[in-house]
Amino acid sequence: SQQGEEDPQALSIQEGENATMNCSYKTSINNLQWYRQNSGRGLVHLILIRSNEREKHSGRLRVTLDTSKKSSSLLITASRAADTASYFCATAAPPGNTPLVFGKGTRLSVIA
Amino acid sequence: SAVISQKPSRDICQRGTSLTIQCQVDSQVTMMFWYRQQPGQSLTLIATANQGSEATYESGFVIDKFPISRPNLTFSTLTVSNMSPEDSSIYLCSVEQGNTEAFFGQGTRLTVV
Repeated sequence: SQQGEEDPQALSIQEGENATMNCSYKTSINNLQWYRQNSGRGLVHLILIRSNEREKHSGRLRVTLDTSKKSSSLLITASRAADTASYFCATAAPPGNTPLVFGKGTRLSVIA
Repeated sequence: SAVISQKPSRDICQRGTSLTIQCQVDSQVTMMFWYRQQPGQSLTLIATANQGSEATYESGFVIDKFPISRPNLTFSTLTVSNMSPEDSSIYLCSVEQGNTEAFFGQGTRLTVV
């Protein structure tokens, strides 16, 4: 069954604005990962945050994790048109990192 | 990082036929995973394929419909059998390497007519 639930399902913003996507999950996790998918193609890994971490940064990406609320957020700052894609959170139950269970995803549109 | 080559990238098939999708990894991996992504939906795990043993299928997926081969540590195939329009989806293979992120093939976009 699907583990993660993302919101919003779709998000449309202007270039330069920040985009925030949220993810909730149901069971204990080993880590939570965010992936990006362009036009229904393969997924690209963006960032992994472990269950004992609360925040992580990578370039324009900032991920937070609140295990007490079983939720995570992905913030993309200073968005660009090239950030237009679908974003998925994925979780893995202990002890390993696979298999991944994916959320429903957020479709982000960045308008130039 | 692992590089995954998945073929075919897309196909249009007649209902009742079968399609075999190939996944080649540029390094040896223990487990390979097959996912399905129905139109506008997220990814759903079909099965986990380990070399030398039968694949482990998730609830709702059966071996007769989705037979999987894993002849060695760098290759796997997924067959979608006796296809119907409901099987129209993107099928993706995935591997984990280094106990960190997962790597994905570019997917096979299947349309059943």
